[in-house]
Amino acid sequence: EPEVTQTPSHQVTQMGQEVILRCVPISNHLYFYWYRQILGQKVEFLVSFYNNEISEKSEIFDDQFSVERPDGSNFTLKIRSTKLEDSAMYFCASRPGDASYEQYFGPGTRLTVT
Amino acid sequence: LAKTTQPISMDSYEGQEVNITCSHNNIATNDYITWYQQFPSQGPRFIIQGYKTKVTNEVASLFIPADRKSSTLSLPRVSLSDTAVYYCLVGDIGRGSTLGRLYFGRGTQLTVWP
Repeated sequence: EPEVTQTPSHQVTQMGQEVILRCVPISNHLYFYWYRQILGQKVEFLVSFYNNEISEKSEIFDDQFSVERPDGSNFTLKIRSTKLEDSAMYFCASRPGDASYEQYFGPGTRLTVT
Repeated sequence: LAKTTQPISMDSYEGQEVNITCSHNNIATNDYITWYQQFPSQGPRFIIQGYKTKVTNEVASLFIPADRKSSTLSLPRVSLSDTAVYYCLVGDIGRGSTLGRLYFGRGTQLTVWP
C-alpha cells in the first residue's frame, strides 16, 4: 500500500538555524499539507498546497515558514530561523484529489530546537 | 466552523464494543463528520467519514442521527492494538472540497485493557 514518507525521523537543531523537513507524498496525489503537534497538544494545521501554490495557511505559518515542491515528488517545509517553540512533531499529509476526502499522513519528523 | 465535544478518555476491555460519541451542535449543511485515529508518535489515520444516517467499513461504523448534532463512532470487538486517540472532525471536507484543512481537537484517549 502506498504511503507518505518523511525524512529525517528526528532533527535536532540549534535556535536560529534553518531546517528543511522533507516529505514524499503518495504518487498522483494532488493536495499536500503540513501539520504540527507540540508534545501533549493538538495536531495543528500549518499549510495546504495545491497546483504548485499555497492554497491556505494558518496563523502559525508566518514568514519564517515556507513550502516547496521542487521536483514533482518531494514536498518540503523550511523553517528559516528556528525558535525553541518550533519544537514539535511535523506531519506531512497528502490527498488524492477533489473527489476524495481522506488525508494520508506520514510518520512525522520530530524537530527538537535547543 | 462547528466545534466538537468528545470525552477526554474511555476505557474498555478486549472483545468489547466501544462507542465514542461526539457532539457538534453547530454543524453546517455542507459539513461532513470524519474520524481519525492516532497512535503515539505516529501521524493520524483516517477511519471513517459520513454525512448522515449510518456508514460502515471494515474498521468501524459511524452513526449519525437525523439532526446531525452528534455522531457515534462504533468499534466492534476492540483489541489492545486499538488503544489510541480518536478524533472527531467536522467541516466542509467531503467530496469536492478544494480545501481539506483538518481541525483537530483534543480527541478521546481510548485505552483497551486485557
